[in-house]
Amino acid sequence: KAGVTQTPRYLIKTRGQQVTLSCSPISGHRSVSWYQQTPGQGLQFLFEYFSETQRNKGNFPGRFSGRQFSNSRSEMNVSTLELGDSALYLCASSFGLAGANTQYFGPGTRLTVL
Amino acid sequence: AQKITQTQPGMFVQEKEAVTLDCTYDTSDQSYGLFWYKQPSSGEMIFLIYQGSYDEQNATEGRYSLNFQKARKSANLVISASQLGDSAMYFCAMRERYTGANSKLTFGKGITLSVRP
Repeated sequence: KAGVTQTPRYLIKTRGQQVTLSCSPISGHRSVSWYQQTPGQGLQFLFEYFSETQRNKGNFPGRFSGRQFSNSRSEMNVSTLELGDSALYLCASSFGLAGANTQYFGPGTRLTVL
Repeated sequence: AQKITQTQPGMFVQEKEAVTLDCTYDTSDQSYGLFWYKQPSSGEMIFLIYQGSYDEQNATEGRYSLNFQKARKSANLVISASQLGDSAMYFCAMRERYTGANSKLTFGKGITLSVRP
């Protein structure tokens, strides 16, 4: 079975721009969660989508949004980029809701904001 | 208060030796899950092992075992027969009792492990 895939792997943007990251879960997995990883804050939960509905949200500003499609693929969007948004963005999928299932992570998208 | 505490500085171990990575956690829930993930320099988080709070036996997965001491709220990862490929960052994570607000993993800060040849 193919693992979680994320595209693009690397991205460079400038302040004020917006960005969209994509995540394809493991086949059969219906939950996708997003995490931000920075050296200072560590790994922080952004949100979880299950069956095209956002089920849980972390403590991030509204500039961070996401969606999930009927094939369980998910996208995350960050608008009006700030320097502090530079991070590794990790996507994780699980068969069912993350609260009751093991999450498997993708390789991440490394975003650099200049 | 931190939910997951990993306080060890960078750890070093000789190839083929065993190493223990410490993790303590804080929760008032009776039902929770504990995970260990490995993150090589490539960035991908690799699932290693899971321990449920009601599991009576310590979890094992190949060379990985979890030393679960519920009363002390610790869930240490033991890696036996270390290999050079084990050099990575290791994260302990907890998932508390499932509710809509808690269905997420809370991660510790991680521990860097370096395996010496």
